[in-house]
Amino acid sequence: GAVVSQHPSRVICKSGTSVKIECRSLDFQATTMFWYRQFPKQSLMLMATSNEGSKATYEQGVEKDKFLINHASLTLSTLTVTSAHPEDSSFYICSAARGTGELFFGEGSRLTVL
Amino acid sequence: AQSVTQPDIHITVSEGASLELRCNYSYGATPYLFWYVQSPGQGLQLLLKYFSGDTLVQGIKGFEAEFKRSQSSFNLRKPSVHWSDAAEYFCAVGANSGYSTLTFGKGTMLLVSP
Repeated sequence: GAVVSQHPSRVICKSGTSVKIECRSLDFQATTMFWYRQFPKQSLMLMATSNEGSKATYEQGVEKDKFLINHASLTLSTLTVTSAHPEDSSFYICSAARGTGELFFGEGSRLTVL
Repeated sequence: AQSVTQPDIHITVSEGASLELRCNYSYGATPYLFWYVQSPGQGLQLLLKYFSGDTLVQGIKGFEAEFKRSQSSFNLRKPSVHWSDAAEYFCAVGANSGYSTLTFGKGTMLLVSP
């Protein structure tokens, strides 16, 4: 099946620094990718929809300046957590929509901010 | 607004026993329903989906789910659980088949005992 890969799978950073997470669709082109945040024992919360070549669409309550999303190519979307704080620690998951509309999820990236 | 309720946070099943994971949804129109499985540290994998037609849908890994409109439910079942089925299971509802409007439940953690 289609593969979506995230990198890094785990990252630890100091408070105040920025962290970039990559999401790649390895065997198909994805005009649309999605970024989710998952808290422990909670469901996935959609943060934003990333559209290739245009600005991302953020869900209500998600800070655009805190979570920068770039979808510069049909196979890569990046999420940058700027000026990270401990409350930004979470599991971030991306998904990519293939032409059929079916979603394929990445493995997730666990961010820990000290 | 659409919502999904998975009433069971944890379920423990003996290997070889049958399994039923509950999912109730709230949506004003005809829902598109999904079940995903997430292994530890992994992304989500689609088990099965219901868009229309036969209300009993078959998925991968021997799973099936039944859509019951009168009960607003989409319970996941498996006749005989294997130890490798231990994972977290998410039910999701969408407004269309394009997956972009998915709302996830909080998940049910399945534990399999010897």
